[in-house]
Amino acid sequence: NAGVTQTPKFQVLKTGQSMTLQCAQDMNHNSMYWYRQDPGMGLRLIYYSASEGTTDKGEVPNGYNVSRLNKREFSLRLESAAPSQTSVYFCASSEGGEQYFGPGTRLTVT
Amino acid sequence: GENVEQHPSTLSVQEGDSAVIKCTYSDSASNYFPWYKQELGKGPQLIIDIRSNVGEKKDQRIAVTLNKTAKHFSLHITETQPEDSAVYFCAEGYGGATNKLIFGTGTLLAVQP
Repeated sequence: NAGVTQTPKFQVLKTGQSMTLQCAQDMNHNSMYWYRQDPGMGLRLIYYSASEGTTDKGEVPNGYNVSRLNKREFSLRLESAAPSQTSVYFCASSEGGEQYFGPGTRLTVT
Repeated sequence: GENVEQHPSTLSVQEGDSAVIKCTYSDSASNYFPWYKQELGKGPQLIIDIRSNVGEKKDQRIAVTLNKTAKHFSLHITETQPEDSAVYFCAEGYGGATNKLIFGTGTLLAVQP
C-alpha cells in the first residue's frame, strides 16, 4: 500500500514550456486534490475532484488544468509555464475527513 | 473570503516544555479543524483533528481545543521532544465527503535538546 504517489519529484522548466504532474492513490478514495505550497503562504487549493469524472476549481486555478483519468489518477497540467508557478505541488486524496498527501513535486520555472 | 490566521510563525522551546499554536478562522459554517505536521522534504501528515460538536480532543501528548464562538482553535503539545520539530499547519473545512480545506500559513516549531 503506497498511499499517494507523485511523479516527477523535481522538474525545471523554461517559461512557456508545458508539463503534466502525475498523481495516483491506491486507497480507493473518491476525492482527490491538487495544492501548491509557497513560502509563508501555506497550502492553497488549485483544483479538486469529488469523484471520477468531476473536477472543480479551488482558490488558485488560473494557469492550470486537471484530468481525473480514473478513480486512482488525477493529473495537473501546466500549458504554458510561468515563473510565478515555481512552487512545490502536492496531491492529496480523501474519503471524508483526513486528507492523505503525496511527497510533492518541486517545480522551478526559469 | 475565507482565511485562517495562524500564530506564531516560528516557535522555539526547550525539550520537555509545552508548545501552543493558535489559529483563527473566519467562516462560521466550518465544522472540521485538522492539524497537519510537515517534516522537511515530505508531504503534510494529519496529527489530530476536531469537529465542531466537541470542544477538546486529546491524543497522548497532543491536544486540540476549539472555541466556536470566538472562532479560535489551538494545538497543544506537551513534553516536547526533538522529533516534534517540524512545520505545523492548521486548517478549516466542512468535513464532508469532499473536504475542501483552507490552510493557515504554518508554524515552524524547533525543540531544542
